[in-house]
Amino acid sequence: DTGVSQDPRHKITKRGQNVTFRCDPISEHNRLYWYRQTLGQGPEFLTYFQNEAQLEKSRLLSDRFSAERPKGSFSTLEIQRTEQGDSAMYLCASSLTGTLNTEAFFGQGTRLTVV
Amino acid sequence: EDKVVQSPLSLVVHEGDTVTLNCSYEVTNFRSLLWYKQEKKAPTFLFMLTSSGIEKKSGRLSSILDKKELFSILNITATQTGDSAVYLCAGLNYGGSQGNLIFGKGTKLSVKP
Repeated sequence: DTGVSQDPRHKITKRGQNVTFRCDPISEHNRLYWYRQTLGQGPEFLTYFQNEAQLEKSRLLSDRFSAERPKGSFSTLEIQRTEQGDSAMYLCASSLTGTLNTEAFFGQGTRLTVV
Repeated sequence: EDKVVQSPLSLVVHEGDTVTLNCSYEVTNFRSLLWYKQEKKAPTFLFMLTSSGIEKKSGRLSSILDKKELFSILNITATQTGDSAVYLCAGLNYGGSQGNLIFGKGTKLSVKP
């Protein structure tokens, strides 16, 4: 499967615990996005990377959230001291930007439930 | 701030009906408009529209962009129950805010047998 993959698919955690999600983009894609989606809403931008550089973080992203893409390939999103309001689907997407611009392809998402 | 607004937010139709979904946008340095279909999980890509007035078609789905009036429509003809999903519209910009892909809230389409 050469699509965007995310791991885990589901995560249940207790409030206050830290969680880390992983995203493997399509291999030649240089741009990687993280979105959060709650029921009845469209995907909400969190952050994005161009290769290994994190170019923007949403104002909605608190200090408890951090993302990395150390070698410009896979990315991780960590949430520290989780709160119930963090419960959502976390979506990763990748695209190719530059001379040829492709649409963004999404992974299946990681559904986080904070209890 | 860039924004994308979709209407209606939800729609219920019967099989065989034709539906039109609307998307208006205010996106700095606009490049393209994208439509996605989301069922249970990840959004799946439908169309990317960059030029005004050129209709894109895929089976019973078609879409068109009006860059003067800043909107796009997605048409689905002869709807089927399998078309039931949330349809998302997203504006793509030239490296502006929000990672340059800004989503609307989606239109939830329910097709009844």
